[in-house]
Amino acid sequence: SQKIEQNSEALNIQEGKTATLTCNYTNYSPAYLQWYRQDPGRGPVFLLLIRENEKEKRKERLKVTFDTTLKQSLFHITASQPADSATYLCAFMTTDSWGKLQFGAGTQVVVTP
Amino acid sequence: DVKVTQSSRYLVKRTGEKVFLECVQDMDHENMFWYRQDPGLGLRLIYFSYDVKMKEKGDIPEGYSVSREKKERFSLILESASTNQTSMYLCASSSDGRSTDTQYFGPGTRLTVL
Repeated sequence: SQKIEQNSEALNIQEGKTATLTCNYTNYSPAYLQWYRQDPGRGPVFLLLIRENEKEKRKERLKVTFDTTLKQSLFHITASQPADSATYLCAFMTTDSWGKLQFGAGTQVVVTP
Repeated sequence: DVKVTQSSRYLVKRTGEKVFLECVQDMDHENMFWYRQDPGLGLRLIYFSYDVKMKEKGDIPEGYSVSREKKERFSLILESASTNQTSMYLCASSSDGRSTDTQYFGPGTRLTVL
């Protein structure tokens, strides 16, 4: 069956360091991958999208990679700040799932000063 | 800015009650979605709609129904609430369902069924 896995353990990181989150998938052929941020008690907010033929995408302090051979996406927050503390969700869309996203369970990031 | 609103932030209902959750978006989006979110399980799609009066089942439609009479409004209905439907319910919209489209989420409704 199709599966998306994100590390369920919270990632605790010191301010200024780089946080790296992993999203692995099995039995998918995703065409696009998206990353969302979710704060407690709020809905997810879109951050970045990367296509299957793109290796890397950047937006300010955020970087996403997509390796279809490893079936993995990495999400990096460089120079992390306490305001980056949140849960980060990865989501896939396949070419036959037309507009529907499959979400991972998310990884919580805690940035301490 | 896209705005997706949900009728209630918190709701407490009793087993067997009929429950209506409403979602409104103000960006003229074609697609609307209902998810539930439970710890460790992530977001799971209940139903979605790509046009007025159109609906498609998601991954977990059992025990739920939906209604979309107007483009901006998408309602989720629990015909007879049960305790296993206690969850956070999130509504989302997207413009036209192209693969690159992002989804815009509402703030969520935390439903407790006693």
